[in-house]
Amino acid sequence: DAGITQSPRHKVTETGTPVTLRCHQTENHRYMYWYRQDPGHGLRLIHYSYGVKDTDKGEVSDGYSVSRSKTEDFLLTLESATSSQTSVYFCAISRLARNTGELFFGEGSRLTVL
Amino acid sequence: GQQVMQIPQYQHVQEGEDFTTYCNSSTTLSNIQWYKQRPGGHPVFLIQLVKSGEVKKQKRLTFQFGEAKKNSSLHITATQTTDVGTYFCAGRMDNDMRFGAGTRLTVKP
Repeated sequence: DAGITQSPRHKVTETGTPVTLRCHQTENHRYMYWYRQDPGHGLRLIHYSYGVKDTDKGEVSDGYSVSRSKTEDFLLTLESATSSQTSVYFCAISRLARNTGELFFGEGSRLTVL
Repeated sequence: GQQVMQIPQYQHVQEGEDFTTYCNSSTTLSNIQWYKQRPGGHPVFLIQLVKSGEVKKQKRLTFQFGEAKKNSSLHITATQTTDVGTYFCAGRMDNDMRFGAGTRLTVKP
């Protein structure tokens, strides 16, 4: 498996609280992604990064922000969590440019917003 | 936005039977990837198809990319209990990669 670690793996929080999910990679890959997975929707891209401090929005970015201050770390922040953000969040990395190569996924972070 | 449709949503088969999942797009795809996710696990890359009409095989798995590059299929011959999981396609359109909703396969021993 690719060296991708997500933390926390499980979190329960209340509506309105901030939440930060962390993705750490040891592969030194340039491209990193945050997806959410919901029943009936597959995987949907939230944000992605193509380098340190270089990020862009994905398909479902509203309510989320990201930061990448180091190659190995990509943080996803929910400034004020809502129940609609209850989901399983997957971090992914790729060696090649966005959407041209295979994605390696982390083990996921299950977030429940009450 | 543009979507990739995947059918069926669920498939339950007897061990030894064949299984096929299909992906369709209204837009021409640059490439298509297939992933497998075991229950409780994370998606794992299986293959990427790029050329029109391309067919690739991995043991009992056969992947096809349509001539018009708008559809793709994954066929498993003689399913085994180890094939259980959800199979996702992901199609590249413009500069976006869009995932299908997945086909969840269960196999009865």
